[in-house]
Amino acid sequence: KQEVTQIPAALSVPEGENLVLNCSFTDSAIYNLQWFRQDPGKGLTSLLLIQSSQREQTSGRLNASLDKSSGRSTLYIAASQPGDSATYLCAFDAGNNRKLIWGLGTSLAVNP
Amino acid sequence: EAQVTQNPRYLITVTGKKLTVTCSQNMNHEYMSWYRQDPGLGLRQIYYSMNVEVTDKGDVPEGYKVSRKEKRNFPLILESPSPNQTSLYFCATNEGRGRGVPWEQYFGPGTRLTVT
Repeated sequence: KQEVTQIPAALSVPEGENLVLNCSFTDSAIYNLQWFRQDPGKGLTSLLLIQSSQREQTSGRLNASLDKSSGRSTLYIAASQPGDSATYLCAFDAGNNRKLIWGLGTSLAVNP
Repeated sequence: EAQVTQNPRYLITVTGKKLTVTCSQNMNHEYMSWYRQDPGLGLRQIYYSMNVEVTDKGDVPEGYKVSRKEKRNFPLILESPSPNQTSLYFCATNEGRGRGVPWEQYFGPGTRLTVT
């Protein structure tokens, strides 16, 4: 069964900290892995997409890495801000008709 | 502006009263799908469509119907809603050009449905 695990489930940090969110998946034959952000009561915003041939992607203060052999991806957030408070979800496409397999997310609170 | 729109955003209804949640995209994407999100279960795919007039079941299709008569629209139909269909629903799209081509999924804002 294809599964995604995200650790920790919740995280509270003071503003300015660098932090790492973890995502592990059971299927090494992934096509892509995507990180999303979800704000309460709102939709899903795509943050970073890593293709299976890539090892990392960067966008601003965000950096996502992918290690297929170990079944892990990390999302690094530099110099966290209160506006980063949200739930962060990772999902991978294992080739089943573009269906994404989702983790349950990490709920992040950045305190001023 | 690239957009995926869903309507309604919020809906409270009663058991058995048929309803439709609409989804529309302006990106000319071939692939569209529906997910539901539930606490502790995450997002699960309900139905997907690879192109016009081509639809198929996802992981949790029971109690739902879809249609794809036009490329831009992919409505989700609940013929006889039940309380266990209370959930947050998302429509998603991507270009669907095939493997090896970079793609990204875009999501609508979500529809929060409560069935009493």
